Amino acid sequence: AQSVSQHNHHVILSEAASLELGCNYSYGGTVNLFWYVQYPGQHLQLLLKYFSGDPLVKGIKGFEAEFIKSKFSFNLRKPSVQWSDTAEYFCAAHHAGGYNKLIFGAGTRLAVHP
Amino acid sequence: NAGVTQTPKFRILKIGQSMTLQCTQDMNHNYMYWYRQDPGMGLKLIYYSVGAGITDKGEVPNGYNVSRSTTEDFPLRLELAAPSQTSVYFCASSTGGQEKLFFGSGTQLSVL
Repeated sequence: AQSVSQHNHHVILSEAASLELGCNYSYGGTVNLFWYVQYPGQHLQLLLKYFSGDPLVKGIKGFEAEFIKSKFSFNLRKPSVQWSDTAEYFCAAHHAGGYNKLIFGAGTRLAVHP
Repeated sequence: NAGVTQTPKFRILKIGQSMTLQCTQDMNHNYMYWYRQDPGMGLKLIYYSVGAGITDKGEVPNGYNVSRSTTEDFPLRLELAAPSQTSVYFCASSTGGQEKLFFGSGTQLSVL
């Protein structure tokens, strides 16, 4: 079955620390990959996406993610986190080519302490 | 810009009651979705629609019904509420099946 796995459910960091959130998917074939973020009290919103091309994609607020096809991974990174990055982060995958179903991972709650 | 609007924001139901969660979008998106979010489980797709008059089941459709009579509205109906339906419900819309989703603010539903 198609699935998306996020390795860490809770991450606690100090400001200026580097961040890497893991995401693995189990789709066969071509996939579209997304990271969504939900800041406290706000809507889910798109952070970045990968459809094709350069496997290193850059999103809003200094986030980036790298698609590694051989590892079925799409990890999210940020070199230096800020308190305002405190949020829940969701990885999602979509089978390219017609499926309308976006599969989400369980989410990772990130808390950044000043 | 209103985007995707969901009502109500909170609701408590008794077992066996019914209710409709409302969702409307003003972006003229063809695609609309209902997800539920259970703690530690991510978002699960309940139903989706690719246009007015067209709906289809997602991963967890049991206990729910939807309709799509207009492009703007995509209500979700719970006919006989059960404790297992306690969750946070999100409505979303997009321009296409593979495009980014715009989410509503969610409905926190408790069934007691």
